[in-house]
Amino acid sequence: DSGVTQTPKHLITATGQRVTLRCSPRSGDLSVYWYQQSLDQGLQFLIQYYNGEERAKGNILERFSAQQFPDLHSELNLSSLELGDSALYFCASSPGQATNEKLFFGSGTQLSVL
Amino acid sequence: GENVEQHPSTLSVQEGDSAVIKCTYSDSASNYFPWYKQELGKGPQLIIDIRSNVGEKKDQRIAVTLNKTAKHFSLHITETQPEDSAVYFCAAKGGSNAGNMLTFGGGTRLMVKP
Repeated sequence: DSGVTQTPKHLITATGQRVTLRCSPRSGDLSVYWYQQSLDQGLQFLIQYYNGEERAKGNILERFSAQQFPDLHSELNLSSLELGDSALYFCASSPGQATNEKLFFGSGTQLSVL
Repeated sequence: GENVEQHPSTLSVQEGDSAVIKCTYSDSASNYFPWYKQELGKGPQLIIDIRSNVGEKKDQRIAVTLNKTAKHFSLHITETQPEDSAVYFCAAKGGSNAGNMLTFGGGTRLMVKP
């Protein structure tokens, strides 16, 4: 168990809908990262937050947004969903101020858009 | 930005044999190189990492080597066991010009046959 909790584990929805994925980082970790994993794209970095502030952006679509709350949990919002958004979405957290090192990943949320 | 290539995409070995996975990176300022193991239905788990000021690091049956001049690094697993079967990802953390971003390779599916 990595200590990173993601809910829900599975999500099935229809095109055009909006969903929210939730992540609780390891106790004490200030950085939260979101990754998308699809069969043909590997692990793609979406966005990172550090102590409530956006730190870095990767290949995140404009239809996607995220935030990190004062209690450090994070939510990833996906809207106007398309079939191609079906993927495994991972949240990770890391300790200390050196970001992008020693990431601990959650078990992921499997999103299926029908 | 950083580009990480990983080979092979699949690797099948007999139990007890060694396995080697190789990665190349493009950003000469990259300074941190982790390896992650992803088992079925789980998130990636950090198994070993190396910094650019070190040429080799070992932890029991796994070792990582880094050649900064050639910009490649490798994961070596000795005396493989069935529980080593998983997907392995290499990654490289770019320099400050690249926003210290972590870029993952495409993954290697390792199968250890009993």
